[in-house]
Amino acid sequence: AQSVTQPDIHITVSEGASLELRCNYSYGATPYLFWYVQSPGQGLQLLLKYFSGDTLVQGIKGFEAEFKRSQSSFNLRKPSVHWSDAAEYFCAVASSGGGADGLTFGKGTHLIIQP
Amino acid sequence: EPEVTQTPSHQVTQMGQEVILRCVPISNHLYFYWYRQILGQKVEFLVSFYNNEISEKSEIFDDQFSVERPDGSNFTLKIRSTKLEDSAMYFCASTVGGANVLTFGAGSRLTVL
Repeated sequence: AQSVTQPDIHITVSEGASLELRCNYSYGATPYLFWYVQSPGQGLQLLLKYFSGDTLVQGIKGFEAEFKRSQSSFNLRKPSVHWSDAAEYFCAVASSGGGADGLTFGKGTHLIIQP
Repeated sequence: EPEVTQTPSHQVTQMGQEVILRCVPISNHLYFYWYRQILGQKVEFLVSFYNNEISEKSEIFDDQFSVERPDGSNFTLKIRSTKLEDSAMYFCASTVGGANVLTFGAGSRLTVL
């Protein structure tokens, strides 16, 4: 069964500093990988996704993520965070076969931005 | 930009009562999903629905739960007899299909007293 581990429950960074959120996955074949963001009281918004090809993917709001098959990782990065980036971030994996089995999410990382 | 719409945004109910959560998926989407997020925990898959029938369901989705697409636009989740542990945020999602790029609604918070 596929699984996702986000080892950091909370991360605090200063506004303007760089950010890296860790994500490790377990999946037997080539996965589809996603990062979602959830602002307070909001739904889940897709930041970026990896299906195949270039292992460095660009997303919205200045985020990027790098797929490293050897490390089973898909870490999310941003060079300079803004106060509006404070939110819950979820990494997710789906089977590359597509279809009905949906996404498996990690437990999330709560990002706090210090002024 | 097309959205997935969920109602109600928050519902408080007594234990044992029936609850129906409603979702309007994006109009050209073919796959529909319900996910649950208990406070402080991860988002968990409940069920997927395609071609007017359940495609996949998790262990959480027991006999107390049912889903329905009663017309061409709505997708509902019914909990027949709510329990305290059903208190959670319930997210509806939809996708055209194939690549699993889901669009999520804002969620319905269910509080069972």
